[in-house]
Amino acid sequence: TQLLEQSPQFLSIQEGENLTVYCNSSSVFSSLQWYRQEPGEGPVLLVTVVTGGEVKKLKRLTFQFGDARKDSSLHITAAQPGDTGLYLCAGSGYQKVTFGTGTKLQVIP
Amino acid sequence: GAVVSQHPSRVICKSGTSVKIECRSLDFQATTMFWYRQFPKQSLMLMATSNEGSKATYEQGVEKDKFLINHASLTLSTLTVTSAHPEDSSFYICSAREAASPLHFGNGTRLTVT
Repeated sequence: TQLLEQSPQFLSIQEGENLTVYCNSSSVFSSLQWYRQEPGEGPVLLVTVVTGGEVKKLKRLTFQFGDARKDSSLHITAAQPGDTGLYLCAGSGYQKVTFGTGTKLQVIP
Repeated sequence: GAVVSQHPSRVICKSGTSVKIECRSLDFQATTMFWYRQFPKQSLMLMATSNEGSKATYEQGVEKDKFLINHASLTLSTLTVTSAHPEDSSFYICSAREAASPLHFGNGTRLTVT
């Protein structure tokens, strides 16, 4: 059973636009990770957030962990074609990692 | 950064045969390894969790006799798809972690059963 819902499921935008992906759960996680996956490859870790309310920036990507550690968001500024991929959030609990439903992003040049 | 090597990257086999997929952690001790299955454009579906030296814990609906998992060392886990059928065709991915560290993923194995 998927406990992490991501929205939107699919997103197609023009180069230069901004976007936000949401990851929501009813469960509390000790930490949350964001991954990006390209076709035919394994997911690549982008960031880990641990503290409620934490905000981390990775160049044009901004990640936020909710105060209650149940949700997270990923904001991309001025999207580029290289940002295209499947974005996955993953919540870590006791001995288990739960993956979100995924957001397929396409950035059109 | 941590590297996880998965082999083979692609395999085609005939229906009824068995296929073994290897997952190795190259520069850390993987106390826990996970095996996932992924359908096109979808997220990862956890199949099983394996801790070194103990039996794997399978998710509900995953047949443990069909998907044999062995985690005999801190750097190697294998997934064997036994008596493969066309419906087993999929993208299989492993991940590994040391203690409570973030997951590191292999590059996946595309299995096609003809």
